[in-house]
Amino acid sequence: SQTIHQWPATLVQPVGSPLSLECTVEGTSNPNLYWYRQAAGRGLQLLFYSVGIGQISSEVPQNLSASRPQDRQFILSSKKLLLSDSGFYLCAWSGTAAYEQYFGPGTRLTVT
Amino acid sequence: SQQGEEDPQALSIQEGENATMNCSYKTSINNLQWYRQNSGRGLVHLILIRSNEREKHSGRLRVTLDTSKKSSSLLITASRAADTASYFCGSTGGSNYKLTFGKGTLLTVNP
Repeated sequence: SQTIHQWPATLVQPVGSPLSLECTVEGTSNPNLYWYRQAAGRGLQLLFYSVGIGQISSEVPQNLSASRPQDRQFILSSKKLLLSDSGFYLCAWSGTAAYEQYFGPGTRLTVT
Repeated sequence: SQQGEEDPQALSIQEGENATMNCSYKTSINNLQWYRQNSGRGLVHLILIRSNEREKHSGRLRVTLDTSKKSSSLLITASRAADTASYFCGSTGGSNYKLTFGKGTLLTVNP
């Protein structure tokens, strides 16, 4: 069966520090991968999605970037965090020709 | 964009009652999906309804889709305390698989 992992689960970082969040998927090949951010009490905002290794589409201009160095690995990064980067970050995957998305447990990021 | 907007923002009911949540979207869609999110957790896929379908059932869940009104509803029958969660609708359209979510409905089922 397929599983999706995210780490760390929680993170507290000072303003101006770098960020690296990792997401890995097991049990499937060539998934579509997604990064979302959820602000407190708000809906989900799609940040990046990827249909293959090295293929990244950015949905919202911001302080963040994403990379996909391996088929089932998706990384969210920042060189210098802002206070507004605080939130709950969710990674998700879907099959190549499927619409249903499967979400990881999320990372709660607090920028202080 | 084809953003979904859920209504109401919050709903509080007693165990055993039915809960109905609504979702509206703006542009044509391929399908509409409903997800559940327990507090502090990831989203869980509940049900997908395609644009050529009008109604779909899964256990205690019933989803309807009215493409003429660009709206969908999620009915949870005989609710349980464990159904307490936020519920989101998400839609896809065009030639990609990106989901656009609304802000969700927070459902509280009181025992």
